[in-house]
This record gives sequence, structure tokens and C-alpha cells, in this order.
Amino acid sequence: GENVEQHPSTLSVQEGDSAVIKCTYSDSASNYFPWYKQELGKGPQLIIDIRSNVGEKKDQRIAVTLNKTAKHFSLHITETQPEDSAVYFCAATPSGAGSYQLTFGKGTKLSVIP
Amino acid sequence: DTGVSQDPRHKITKRGQNVTFRCDPISEHNRLYWYRQTLGQGPEFLTYFQNEAQLEKSRLLSDRFSAERPKGSFSTLEIQRTEQGDSAMYLCASSPPDGTTTDTQYFGPGTRLTVL
Repeated sequence: GENVEQHPSTLSVQEGDSAVIKCTYSDSASNYFPWYKQELGKGPQLIIDIRSNVGEKKDQRIAVTLNKTAKHFSLHITETQPEDSAVYFCAATPSGAGSYQLTFGKGTKLSVIP
Repeated sequence: DTGVSQDPRHKITKRGQNVTFRCDPISEHNRLYWYRQTLGQGPEFLTYFQNEAQLEKSRLLSDRFSAERPKGSFSTLEIQRTEQGDSAMYLCASSPPDGTTTDTQYFGPGTRLTVL
């Protein structure tokens, strides 16, 4: 099955700086890669996603890049704000159609220091 | 636009008791997923419904777990004879019908289960 590894596990940045979180996946047939933000006591919130037919996608301060050859994808947050502090998860779909069950990384706890 | 809702939000039970959780997906979403999340980990897939049919189950879903989606709308997840190891956040997600975004899953707030 699919295996997703995520780094770093914790990340502290000063307000206004950029944050980068990286993930690698094992199944070369995976073709959908979402990122979720999870605040304490809440469910994961989809913040951006990318499909394998594109290499980069941007939404305001958030961008995701995908390198299918190397099987890795990254989340970039620019001009970080204290409200960006949360746990971020990357995920990937395993090979084959059907349920699109997501395989998640273990998460990155981002702290933005005012 | 109403998101995915789950009930209850918190459940405390004693070991050996049965518990049932409910999930209401986003309207018109025909795909529904259950995940389990333990402290410090990412969500792990449990089971998947397309309309009322349960099409996939993870090996994590032991025979003490059962899920239903009788009318293709809301779903229930029941855990029988709960064990302390069942303590976790149980998350429900839904995704739209076939199309370009059918793989996009939206999560509910979760049900936090504590087994004493």
C-alpha cells in the first residue's frame, strides 16, 4: 500500500517568514495530493490540493509543488501569521480507482511566533 | 453550505460498553468515509461507502466495528465491547459524485471517544 512520510514534525517560524513542509510518497500511481490544516479539537480542513497533471498550484499565501519523478510534494506558506499555527497533514491517494482512500503523513506542528 | 456534521462530539464510556456515532455528509455527496485518528498521528482509513454500499474496509476495522449507511445519506459507526485501545478521534468525510473533484474529501469535526 501507499506510504507517506512528512517532514519536519515540528516547525517554528517568526511571523512574516515563510514555512515549507515536505512529503514523499511511495506509490507512483498516486495522483491526488491534498493538504489539510487541523486545529486543536477540530477536524482536518482542506487548504489546497494538487493533481498529477500539474506541477504547482497557488492560492494566495499558500502554494503546493509536485515532483512526480522524485515522488515528493511540498507545501509553502508565505507571510505567515499567528493564525497559521496548527498541525498540517499531507495525504495521497493509493493506486487504483475506487474509494480514493487517503493515506496521511504524520503531521507537522507549525508554530508562528508573533 | 452545510458541512459534514458528526454527533456526538465527545463520548466517554466504560470498557465493554457499546457506542454508536453518527455522520451526516454534505448534501448530495454520495461518497462517505470513516477514519480514525490517534494522538499525534494522521487519520487512518477505516471504511468507505458509495451511496448505501460499503465497498471497502480496512484491516483496522475489527469484527467489533460495524458501519452502515442505510439510505445512502447519513452513516453510523458502532463499536461493540469497547476497549481502551479504541480511544481516538473518529472522523467522517464525504466527497462529491463522479466528476473532476470526486476525490476531494471534506471532513467533519470528529467524535472524540474516551474508553475508561
